[in-house]
Amino acid sequence: QQQVKQSPQSLIVQKGGISIINCAYENTAFDYFPWYQQFPGKGPALLIAIRPDVSEKKEGRFTISFNKSAKQFSLHIMDSQPGDSATYFCAALPSDTGTASKLTFGTGTRLQVTL
Amino acid sequence: NAGVTQTPKFRVLKTGQSMTLLCAQDMNHEYMYWYRQDPGMGLRLIHYSVGEGTTAKGEVPDGYNVSRLKKQNFLLGLESAAPSQTSVYFCASSHREVEAFFGQGTRLTVV
Repeated sequence: QQQVKQSPQSLIVQKGGISIINCAYENTAFDYFPWYQQFPGKGPALLIAIRPDVSEKKEGRFTISFNKSAKQFSLHIMDSQPGDSATYFCAALPSDTGTASKLTFGTGTRLQVTL
Repeated sequence: NAGVTQTPKFRVLKTGQSMTLLCAQDMNHEYMYWYRQDPGMGLRLIHYSVGEGTTAKGEVPDGYNVSRLKKQNFLLGLESAAPSQTSVYFCASSHREVEAFFGQGTRLTVV
């Protein structure tokens, strides 16, 4: 059972454009929503994360938008650059754990930013 | 500061063979995890450990065993490899906070 649904599976964006990746969840116990970035041949690395007490979090060109009522959250990459080409995973974690052991990942989005 | 180091990076096994994947972290993290990554499946938790001498099952534990004899090391064993275990394996560690730091992965092919 896929508890976090991620779309699209792949995305091609021109340099300077906006990349948008969407995730949806069902479990209302989730209260921490990180995004991981993975380059080919590397492990995932935390990019940005949000808790549901805010509707948006921005770090540089990366923004998470969170819609608690719709149980959806999305990653926006502004002014996309070729160096952003990677696979992006959304994830969700319930509040009843202090470790990442119940971190549930989406299936990933392969982003390609073209010149 | 190496972070999380996995050994080996690549391995080809024949069906029925056994092997051990080693994960070492130098961040003094209490928690360590083993994930497998398959196309279209995201990352799925195999086993995890909340401290030295402890292990617990994750989402997909069948066919794997783990041990955490030292705080800095977490071993993943395959007793009798099957083609379904062909995957990329990632080790991760974390402190009590939720951020998990991942290793670079081990690409395992079982033929």
